[in-house]
Amino acid sequence: AQSVTQPDIHITVSEGASLELRCNYSYGATPYLFWYVQSPGQGLQLLLKYFSGDTLVQGIKGFEAEFKRSQSSFNLRKPSVHWSDAAEYFCAVGGYSTLTFGKGTMLLVSP
Amino acid sequence: EAQVTQNPRYLITVTGKKLTVTCSQNMNHEYMSWYRQDPGLGLRQIYYSMNVEVTDKGDVPEGYKVSRKEKRNFPLILESPSPNQTSLYFCASNPTGPPRSEKLFFGSGTQLSVL
Repeated sequence: AQSVTQPDIHITVSEGASLELRCNYSYGATPYLFWYVQSPGQGLQLLLKYFSGDTLVQGIKGFEAEFKRSQSSFNLRKPSVHWSDAAEYFCAVGGYSTLTFGKGTMLLVSP
Repeated sequence: EAQVTQNPRYLITVTGKKLTVTCSQNMNHEYMSWYRQDPGLGLRQIYYSMNVEVTDKGDVPEGYKVSRKEKRNFPLILESPSPNQTSLYFCASNPTGPPRSEKLFFGSGTQLSVL
């Protein structure tokens, strides 16, 4: 069965600093990988996705993620965090009929 | 406007009183699914439907029912709600089943409290 692990429950980053959120997946075939963001009281918004091809994927809001098959990872990065990036971030892997989410990482941005 | 509409947005009920959360999409999507979101557990899939009259269990189906009589609607039914079903529920749809979806459209969520 497919699974996603987000090892960090909370991360605090200073505004303007770089960010990396970790995601490891388990899936038996070529994975389809996603990052979603959820602001308080809101639904989920797709940041970016990886299906195939270039392993460095660009998304919205200045985010990018790199797929590393050898490490089964799909880490999310942003070079300079803004206060409005404070939210919960979910990594997900798409299987044949289901989309499995990680438990989420809460990003806190300090002044 | 393309959207997934869930109702109600908030619901408080008592143990054992049957309830239905409606979900409707206006994009003619084949695939629809229900998730519940709990703190520290992320989103977990309850049921999904690949097309009309085709439904299947997700990871946490116990205590829930669904139906897909027409493409646009995918209601979530709690026949006898219990307090452990207190959660935030999301309906989602996309043109085909994951993982090939370009985008999974989510509803705004239904916050359910079972007393």
